[in-house]
Amino acid sequence: GDSVTQMEGPVTLSEEAFLTINCTYTATGYPSLFWYVQYPGEGLQLLLKATKADDKGSNKGFEATYRKETTSFHLEKGSVQVSDSAVYFCALSDRAQGAQKLVFGQGTRLTINP
Amino acid sequence: DGGITQSPKYLFRKEGQNVTLSCEQNLNHDAMYWYRQDPGQGLRLIYYSQIVNDFQKGDIAEGYSVSREKKESFPLTVTSAQKNPTAFYLCASSIGTGGRSNEKLFFGSGTQLSVL
Repeated sequence: GDSVTQMEGPVTLSEEAFLTINCTYTATGYPSLFWYVQYPGEGLQLLLKATKADDKGSNKGFEATYRKETTSFHLEKGSVQVSDSAVYFCALSDRAQGAQKLVFGQGTRLTINP
Repeated sequence: DGGITQSPKYLFRKEGQNVTLSCEQNLNHDAMYWYRQDPGQGLRLIYYSQIVNDFQKGDIAEGYSVSREKKESFPLTVTSAQKNPTAFYLCASSIGTGGRSNEKLFFGSGTQLSVL
């Protein structure tokens, strides 16, 4: 079945460092890809998404490009802030099954030190 | 403000007891979902509902039950048959019936369930 694999955490960086969180996926169809973020004690919020190959999702300085050839959707940010500390989830939904079959990665905890 | 409200924030269950987690939304969304989150793991789908009076099992429905009597409400009952209920439970909703793969999910702030 469909699956998502994220890089192991936790990830600890200093403020203004460059961030990459790797995400690769396995899917039989043509999925849409998402990054969700979970701040401490809260539910998840959609950070960005891409619905087809070569699409780039972006929000709040974060970017991710849908790479079909490498089945990847890596999250990047050029200069992180303390407020970016959170858990980040990569996810996919298969076009044939819709949002109810959203498949999540295990999450990557990010801590940014001042 | 529109959103999803989950209650309580913390819940404790005794052995053999059923407990019910509340989820209410005022976003007028058709679809609602329950996910379970365990430490170091991704979210796993328990149940989902696309319309009132209809719901489907997700990947880990055993030991759980739901109802959808009103569009705004989708309570989850953790029954005594669920042998490992300690987890963080998240309710979500989406604007459509979930048939399009690019739909955004809106999440509540979660309920932490622990076994006494």
